[in-house]
Amino acid sequence: EDQVTQSPEALRLQEGESSSLNCSYTVSGLRGLFWYRQDPGKGPEFLFTLYSAGEEKEKERLKATLTKKESFLHITAPKPEDSATYLCAVHSGGSNYKLTFGKGTLLTVNP
Amino acid sequence: DGGITQSPKYLFRKEGQNVTLSCEQNLNHDAMYWYRQDPGQGLRLIYYSQIVNDFQKGDIAEGYSVSREKKESFPLTVTSAQKNPTAFYLCASSTGDANQPQHFGDGTRLSIL
Repeated sequence: EDQVTQSPEALRLQEGESSSLNCSYTVSGLRGLFWYRQDPGKGPEFLFTLYSAGEEKEKERLKATLTKKESFLHITAPKPEDSATYLCAVHSGGSNYKLTFGKGTLLTVNP
Repeated sequence: DGGITQSPKYLFRKEGQNVTLSCEQNLNHDAMYWYRQDPGQGLRLIYYSQIVNDFQKGDIAEGYSVSREKKESFPLTVTSAQKNPTAFYLCASSTGDANQPQHFGDGTRLSIL
């Protein structure tokens, strides 16, 4: 059974204080690892897809990286508008259509 | 603008009542999904549909039903058999390719009166 564990559960940063969120996974044949951002009362917004170890993707202050066991979402010089819950999900070779989600990391960036 | 529209945003259910949540997409996606999100838990798959007139149960299908009569629409009915329906319900769609992301609507929050 695929498993995804995100840490920490919550992270509080000062504006400009860089940090990383972790997503550890156990799957049978990774087809893709997805990062989403979710604001309160809204649906998840797609950020990145990573397919193989060593791959990196960047968007503004966010950079996602992937190893064979985990993914990191690095946030450089965050701003208060980066505050949200960040979700990680994996798509394995065991099921064509099922995403397995982690519980998310709630990020709060104080001005 | 292409996207996924869920309605209503808030819904209240009385005891013994069935309620239906609407999900419409104009992304021309073949696959559609319903998830349930509870506080402190990851999203859990209720039902999914790969093509019109076909759908499969997810991990927590008991007490729910769906239909897929049109490519654009995938309504979810929460039946009276679902004893703990209070949750945030999310609809998603994708091309159906396992390498492509699912895109989500903005959810319906269901509560019991």
